Amino acid sequence: KAGVTQTPRYLIKTRGQQVTLSCSPISGHRSVSWYQQTPGQGLQFLFEYFSETQRNKGNFPGRFSGRQFSNSRSEMNVSTLELGDSALYLCASGRGSHEQYFGPGTRLTVT
Amino acid sequence: EDQVTQSPEALRLQEGESSSLNCSYTVSGLRGLFWYRQDPGKGPEFLFTLYSAGEEKEKERLKATLTKKESFLHITAPKPEDSATYLCAVQAGGGGSNYKLTFGKGTLLTVNP
Repeated sequence: KAGVTQTPRYLIKTRGQQVTLSCSPISGHRSVSWYQQTPGQGLQFLFEYFSETQRNKGNFPGRFSGRQFSNSRSEMNVSTLELGDSALYLCASGRGSHEQYFGPGTRLTVT
Repeated sequence: EDQVTQSPEALRLQEGESSSLNCSYTVSGLRGLFWYRQDPGKGPEFLFTLYSAGEEKEKERLKATLTKKESFLHITAPKPEDSATYLCAVQAGGGGSNYKLTFGKGTLLTVNP
C-alpha cells in the first residue's frame, strides 16, 4: 500500500510570495492533517480536513489556508510568506480518529 | 490546553545499554497517546497507540507503557539503527471531532556501537 506522498519535497521562496503544497493521502483515508515542524517549536498542528470539510484549525494566522478535494487529496497555501514560515511542512492521513501516518514533508525555505 | 513534555531532550547510549524515554502529558480526556520515530529529513514513522492506563505495546526492542499521567518508551538492548528522534503525541477526547495531535519536542536518541 502506497504511503502518504507530498510534493514538492523542497521549495525556496522569497518573502511576500505565496506557495502551495500538495498531499496525497493513503488510499482509503479521508482525513488529512497538516503540521509545521521547526527546531524551536517542534510539530504544531495547522488544520485537519475530512471529506472536504475543515474540521479543526490550529493557532496560525489566516495566511495559512488549505482545502481538500473529493479524492481526499489536499493542498495547503501560505500567502505573503515571511522568513519565520521556513519549516518542514508535514501532511498526515488517517481514518479520522486513531493514528495518523505522515508523509516525508516539504522543506520550505523563505529568503 | 493540552501539553506534552518529553525527557530527556537527548540520550546517548552504548549498544546493548537499555533505557527509557519519558512522556508526561496533560490533556482534557485522553483519546489516545501515540509514539513516533523520526529520522533526519524524514516524516515521523508511526510506532504505537496506547488508549488507557495500564496498556502496553511491544515491537522488536521497543515497549511502550501508559499511566494516567505519563508514558514510557523502553528500549531494550538498543542497536545503532535505533538512533532517531522519538516523538510522543496525545489526542484529546471529550467527544466532538477534534482529532489533532499535540506533540512533545521529542527525545534525540543516539546509540553508539
